[in-house]
Amino acid sequence: EPEVTQTPSHQVTQMGQEVILRCVPISNHLYFYWYRQILGQKVEFLVSFYNNEISEKSEIFDDQFSVERPDGSNFTLKIRSTKLEDSAMYFCASRPDSYEQYFGPGTRLTVT
Amino acid sequence: DAKTTQPPSMDCAEGRAANLPCNHSTISGNEYVYWYRQIHSQGPQYIIHGLKNNETNEMASLIITEDRKSSTLILPHATLRDTAVYYCIVRVGGSGTYKYIFGTGTRLKVLA
Repeated sequence: EPEVTQTPSHQVTQMGQEVILRCVPISNHLYFYWYRQILGQKVEFLVSFYNNEISEKSEIFDDQFSVERPDGSNFTLKIRSTKLEDSAMYFCASRPDSYEQYFGPGTRLTVT
Repeated sequence: DAKTTQPPSMDCAEGRAANLPCNHSTISGNEYVYWYRQIHSQGPQYIIHGLKNNETNEMASLIITEDRKSSTLILPHATLRDTAVYYCIVRVGGSGTYKYIFGTGTRLKVLA
C-alpha cells in the first residue's frame, strides 16, 4: 500500500540555522499539507498546497516558512531561521482529489 | 478553533466495544466528520468519515445522529493495539482547500 514518507526522521539544528524537511507524497495525490505538533499539544495546520501554489496557510506559517514541490515528487518545508519554539513533530500529508488525507510518519525537529 | 469536543480520556476492556463520543453542534450541512487516531507520536491514521449516514469499514463504525450534532466512533472489539489518541475532526473548507482543525482528542486506553 502506498505511503507518505518523510526524511529525516529526526533533525537537530542550532537556533538561527535553516532546515529543510522533506516529504514524498503518494504519487497520484494532488493536495499536500504540512502540520506540526509541539510535544504534548494538538496537531496544528500549517499550510496546504495545490497546483504548485499555497492554497491556505495558518498564522503560524509566517515569513520564516516556505514550501516547495521542486521536482514533481518531493514536497519540502523550509524554515529559514529556526527558533527554539519551532521544535516539534512536523507531519506531511497528501490526498487525491477527494477523500481523506494520508499522513507521513513525521520529522522530529529539535532546535538547540 | 476546533469545531468538535471530546472527552479527554476513556478506558475500555480488551475485547469489548469502545464507543467514543464527539459533539459537533455547529457543523454545517455539507461538512464531513472524520476520525483519525494517533499512536504515540506517529502520524495520524485515518479511520473513517461520514456526512449523514452511518458508515462501517474494516476498522470501525461511525454513527451520526440525525441532527448531525454528534457522532460516535465504535471499535467493535478493542485490542491493546487500539490504545491511542482518537481525534474527531470536522473538515473545514471547500473541496479544493479543505484542512483539518484538530482538537485535543480522546485518549483511549485498552486494558488487558
